Amino acid sequence: DVKVTQSSRYLVKRTGEKVFLECVQDMDHENMFWYRQDPGLGLRLIYFSYDVKMKEKGDIPEGYSVSREKKERFSLILESASTNQTSMYLCASSFQSTLNYGYTFGSGTRLTVV
Amino acid sequence: AQRVTQPEKLLSVFKGAPVELKCNYSYSGSPELFWYVQYSRQRLQLLLRHISRESIKGFTADLNKGETSFHLKKPFAQEEDSAMYYCALSGRSNYKLTFGKGTLLTVNP
Repeated sequence: DVKVTQSSRYLVKRTGEKVFLECVQDMDHENMFWYRQDPGLGLRLIYFSYDVKMKEKGDIPEGYSVSREKKERFSLILESASTNQTSMYLCASSFQSTLNYGYTFGSGTRLTVV
Repeated sequence: AQRVTQPEKLLSVFKGAPVELKCNYSYSGSPELFWYVQYSRQRLQLLLRHISRESIKGFTADLNKGETSFHLKKPFAQEEDSAMYYCALSGRSNYKLTFGKGTLLTVNP
């Protein structure tokens, strides 16, 4: 069974702090993704990576960056947290093609910026 | 650009009634369509994918390319079907999933 593990379930940070959200998958998936989930807005893609050290912007990358130094780990970085980044953050991974398997999601990190 | 529209934010039905969650998409190529479900306090999980033409937990979904739709259907809803449902699309040439805004299904006893 594929496991996608997000290091924190809940986080509370102050405005202006640098925040790191960590995600690890254990099935050798090539692709990893960061989404944020907001009521009424669904899931919006922040960044994704299809290989180590590779990254691509999603639909809402502003205020975020990512790091993928190892295949199994994908980190989301909030350079200077703001209150409008309060959200549920979901990490996902997949094989190179989504055709047959879709994504596997982590359980999410609920971030509150105060 | 790829886009997914779920026109209903909320859908409420009674147990045993048929349910249909609507999904329309916009994509210029050949799409891959999925339905994901999130039960209360659980992680988002894949419910079904159009390519496999399967029925999961009594749910089915048919891709209608003419109407660009991928509606999710179940003939007899159960209380345990209450959840948030997301329709999602990716292209055959890419692996980025675009999600709709979701429909919260409530099945009343």
